[in-house]
Amino acid sequence: ETGVTQTPRHLVMGMTNKKSLKCEQHLGHNAMYWYKQSAKKPLELMFVYNFKEQTENNSVPSRFSPECPNSSHLFLHLHTLQPEDSALYLCASSQEGATEAFFGQGTRLTVV
Amino acid sequence: SQQGEEDPQALSIQEGENATMNCSYKTSINNLQWYRQNSGRGLVHLILIRSNEREKHSGRLRVTLDTSKKSSSLLITASRAADTASYFCATDDADSSYKLIFGSGTRLLVRP
Repeated sequence: ETGVTQTPRHLVMGMTNKKSLKCEQHLGHNAMYWYKQSAKKPLELMFVYNFKEQTENNSVPSRFSPECPNSSHLFLHLHTLQPEDSALYLCASSQEGATEAFFGQGTRLTVV
Repeated sequence: SQQGEEDPQALSIQEGENATMNCSYKTSINNLQWYRQNSGRGLVHLILIRSNEREKHSGRLRVTLDTSKKSSSLLITASRAADTASYFCATDDADSSYKLIFGSGTRLLVRP
């Protein structure tokens, strides 16, 4: 257990569905991240939140919509995804800046 | 954009041997980190080395950093079958301290 919890662990959704991924940390960290990990590709940084404010949006398509209601919770809202969006989505948190990041176990997303 | 590049992409060794993985990066950094990932799971932080450090040890791990060559190496001594995993280097971005960028990783297989 790293202290970062992601739900669900697995998700299968159709291209017309709307779903949300949830991430929760109770480590007192002020930065939270969403990463996408596709097969045979490096981890792609998607979004960064610092003290609930979005500080990075790495040219992510609008069908991915992040939400950070407080420093402990981070959501990724998904709608009208494509099959190529199938991947492992990882959430992470860190105390400040790009120091040691704690990762959740990830959500394995399959878009059909 | 991808910051770190690891080599080799894959490494297979016998238990008890040492494993060396290399990482190269492109821009100025404040620190460099190494992470480990077991198949399909979240990443676990191993070690962080700051830009003003040249070498760091943690148990069976030894990390070096050469900022003039923009490269780092991770040495795992006396490897064990349980060390089988993917290993990633990650660097921060001097322009955005909350941006942690990962390389493509080295898949290590330690044969019993």
